[in-house]
Amino acid sequence: EIVLTQSPATLSLSPGERATLSCRASQSISSYLAWYQQKAGQPPRLLIYDASNRATGIPARFSGSGSGTDFTLTISSLEPEDFAVYYCQQRKSWPLTFGGGTKVEIK
Amino acid sequence: EVQLVESGGGLGQPGGSLRVTCAASGFIFSSYEMNWVRQAPGKGLEWISYIGSDGGDRYYADSVKGRFTISRDNAKNSLFLQMNSLRGEDTAVYYCARRGPFQYGPFDLWGQGTMVTVSS
Repeated sequence: EIVLTQSPATLSLSPGERATLSCRASQSISSYLAWYQQKAGQPPRLLIYDASNRATGIPARFSGSGSGTDFTLTISSLEPEDFAVYYCQQRKSWPLTFGGGTKVEIK
Repeated sequence: EVQLVESGGGLGQPGGSLRVTCAASGFIFSSYEMNWVRQAPGKGLEWISYIGSDGGDRYYADSVKGRFTISRDNAKNSLFLQMNSLRGEDTAVYYCARRGPFQYGPFDLWGQGTMVTVSS
């Protein structure tokens, strides 16, 4: 099973600041990584797929990078609606797995 | 409108059974692979099951293998999860999720979820 480790667990930032979230895989997953945003009481929403491709309707302030085992989600300038929990997920092999999540909270 | 709507959650007894359903609309259901993903209260996301677009391929997480069965009815645009031998650790919100926009893609569409509580 491929284990995804997200860091930090919590990120405390102010609106307008840059957020950098990390996801590390226990073995190479090429670029088969997605990022999701989840707000309280809502289902997850796909943000980025295959490491760097924005999903339909996702603002340009969200960007993804990385390949192999190390991946980054960057939010260039935090908007009030961006404070949420973010998960990474791999589709390289079964079982499909998610990281433990990073909570981006208002400082 | 493109959407997934889950139903059938509720209270189940330890050792008992429940069946949850996901109704799809607004897209060609038979063209997409489907999944169940769950989230225990206050916890992260856990993928538990996958079914191919024609129902031929099925995969399960070890945590539910042998107890849960995924199925689909493409004529009725519906996805199912039969949950047997329920345990307390199965308590979670159960989401159905579509894989797209290409084969073996990410989870590009999610339902709102249905809560399953296992307790005596």
